[in-house]
Amino acid sequence: DAKTTQPTSMDCAEGRAANLPCNHSTISGNEYVYWYRQIHSQGPQYIIHGLKNNETNEMASLIITEDRKSSTLILPHATLRDTAVYYCIVRAIRGSNYKLTFGKGTLLTVNP
Amino acid sequence: DTAVSQTPKYLVTQMGNDKSIKCEQNLGHDTMYWYKQDSKKFLKIMFSYNNKELIINETVPNRFSPKSPDKAHLNLHINSLELGDSAVYFCASSRHDGSGYTFGSGTRLTVV
Repeated sequence: DAKTTQPTSMDCAEGRAANLPCNHSTISGNEYVYWYRQIHSQGPQYIIHGLKNNETNEMASLIITEDRKSSTLILPHATLRDTAVYYCIVRAIRGSNYKLTFGKGTLLTVNP
Repeated sequence: DTAVSQTPKYLVTQMGNDKSIKCEQNLGHDTMYWYKQDSKKFLKIMFSYNNKELIINETVPNRFSPKSPDKAHLNLHINSLELGDSAVYFCASSRHDGSGYTFGSGTRLTVV
């Protein structure tokens, strides 16, 4: 699976949009971009995923560049409860090897 | 109803002891996993089972033995516990195609 690079930490004001970048320049054509987050002391939580089109769900939006070498997770109106470590994961589906390879992620701190 | 449940939530034990962590999922998923998160917060896969068959074993010491009595359960037994086994262990499950990945809330193991 391709490697990802994320900033170590970011801050965001409550109510503002949080934009979390991720670089995945070695991504292959059949690899998806997944985003998970881990709120302190809890298990990782799925947020969103995409292949090449932009995606939106009730939690967030995912913007993938045309060359697919980077993406941005957008939390449109961040709240204090969005403070967490956010992981960008690139995952290939081959056979039944569905492991998730976590990096260090980005610690997002939402400030009041 | 909790989708992926682990017991116990906390486990403190002495070096050399044998302990088990249980995991159950009620999502009807075919694949289950164990992940380990160490003190540096890196999350790494340990094992994966698909329909009771082992499909991933990420060079984990053979003191760790997963057991899957049925596809809804994946237990982790650890023999001769060592200080370095102290970590948070997360169980997860997914559908056969890797979608719907869901984590449990973790078991914090402390070896003293």
